[in-house]
Amino acid sequence: DIQMTQSPSSLSASVGDRVTITCRASQSISRYLNWYHQKPGKAPKLLIYAASTLQTGVPSRFSGSASGADFTLTISSLQPEDFATYYCQQSSTTPWTFGQGTKVEIK
Amino acid sequence: QVQLQESGPGLVKPSETLSLTCTVSGGSVSSGSYYWSWIRQPPGKGLEWIGYFYFSGSTNYNPSLKSRVTISVDTSKNQFSLKVSSVTAADTAVYYCARLMAGFDYWGQGILVTVSS
Repeated sequence: DIQMTQSPSSLSASVGDRVTITCRASQSISRYLNWYHQKPGKAPKLLIYAASTLQTGVPSRFSGSASGADFTLTISSLQPEDFATYYCQQSSTTPWTFGQGTKVEIK
Repeated sequence: QVQLQESGPGLVKPSETLSLTCTVSGGSVSSGSYYWSWIRQPPGKGLEWIGYFYFSGSTNYNPSLKSRVTISVDTSKNQFSLKVSSVTAADTAVYYCARLMAGFDYWGQGILVTVSS
């Protein structure tokens, strides 16, 4: 299985902060990398697919990038509704796998 | 607008079979290049992909569950279903159905299934 390792596991940030979350794949997944966030009691919501394509309706403060096996999700200016847990997921090779999650909390 | 809705028992006894159904509206399970998937999340933990049904008729399962899992489809009802046999407490989770084209763009709201006697 392809292991997806996210860092950090959690972070505290303030409204307006720039936040970066990293995801590393254990082997090549090309750009088959997706980002989600999940609020308590809710299903995950797709933010970014194919490493850097913004899902329709997702605010432009979210962006994704890729460099080899490393992928980054950036929130340019954190908003109150962005406090959630973020997951990366590879759709290159089955079994499709998720990172362990990054919890973004209010400082 | 595509919508997915899980249904099924919220409580299953150990060693029995967990059965869930996902009803799709606003789209067809038998058309388009979509992978109709089941994903689960144990309480307080991360996400695990269980398997998919592809519109062409093929299925693919996570090897961690493969021997116990079956995903099937009922095109007349626009539904797909999940069966997990010989469940244990480790199968207690919120089960989601979801559609993947690039990412998982549509999800059900999730259903908590508890395995307990």
